[in-house]
Amino acid sequence: AQKVTQAQTEISVVEKEDVTLDCVYETRDTTYYLFWYKQPPSGELVFLIRRNSFDEQNEISGRYSWNFQKSTSSFNFTITASQVVDSAVYFCALGGGGSNYKLTFGKGTLLTVNP
Amino acid sequence: DAGITQSPRHKVTETGTPVTLRCHQTENHRYMYWYRQDPGHGLRLIHYSYGVKDTDKGEVSDGYSVSRSKTEDFLLTLESATSSQTSVYFCAISDAGQPPSYGYTFGSGTRLTVV
Repeated sequence: AQKVTQAQTEISVVEKEDVTLDCVYETRDTTYYLFWYKQPPSGELVFLIRRNSFDEQNEISGRYSWNFQKSTSSFNFTITASQVVDSAVYFCALGGGGSNYKLTFGKGTLLTVNP
Repeated sequence: DAGITQSPRHKVTETGTPVTLRCHQTENHRYMYWYRQDPGHGLRLIHYSYGVKDTDKGEVSDGYSVSRSKTEDFLLTLESATSSQTSVYFCAISDAGQPPSYGYTFGSGTRLTVV
C-alpha cells in the first residue's frame, strides 16, 4: 500500500520568511511519481509539480523549489520569501506506475502567511 | 474553457435520499476519479474509471456507486445519503498518454451537505 505523510498540519509564518513543507512517502513500486498541489482559500486544486522516481534532480521555479531524496523517501517543498498569496493548503501526492494512475494524497499542510 | 466541470456546485439533501453528482469532461481523457475531501483526512479516493463502463473501487467506496456510460461523463451516486457523507467532492481527469502525462486536472468541487 502507498502512503504519504505530511506531518505538519499547520504552519504560520510572517511574509518574506522562507518555509519548507515536508512530505514523506512509502511505496513498494520501483517507478513512481510525486506531486504537489496547492489549494487556495477559493477551494480549487492547482497542480504545482510532478517528479518521476528516476529523476532526483531538484527543481526550482521562481520562489518555489523542491528537494527529492529517495534515500529518505522525502519530497519537500520550499517557498522562498513567502507572500500572503502563498497562503493555502498544500498537498503532496504519490502515484505508482501501472496503478491506473491513482494518486494517494497526504492530509495536507495549511500554510498561513501573515503580513 | 474549464475542460472539466462538476454539477451541482452545492447541494443540501436529507438523510436517506439518493444523490447523484456529475462530472463532465471535454478533454477525451481515459481516466476519471472521484475524491472526497474532509478536514484531517486530505483527499481520499472513492471510485475511479479507466474507460467506458470500466470502474473500480477506491479506499472509501462504501455507500457510493459510479457509472460511466460515455467517455465524457462520470457519475457518482450516493444511494441513501448519510450525514457522514457530508463533504466536498472532487472529480479529476488524467490522460495516460505515452509517456503518461500523469497528473490530474481537478474540477471545482461539489459541496454536499446531508442534513
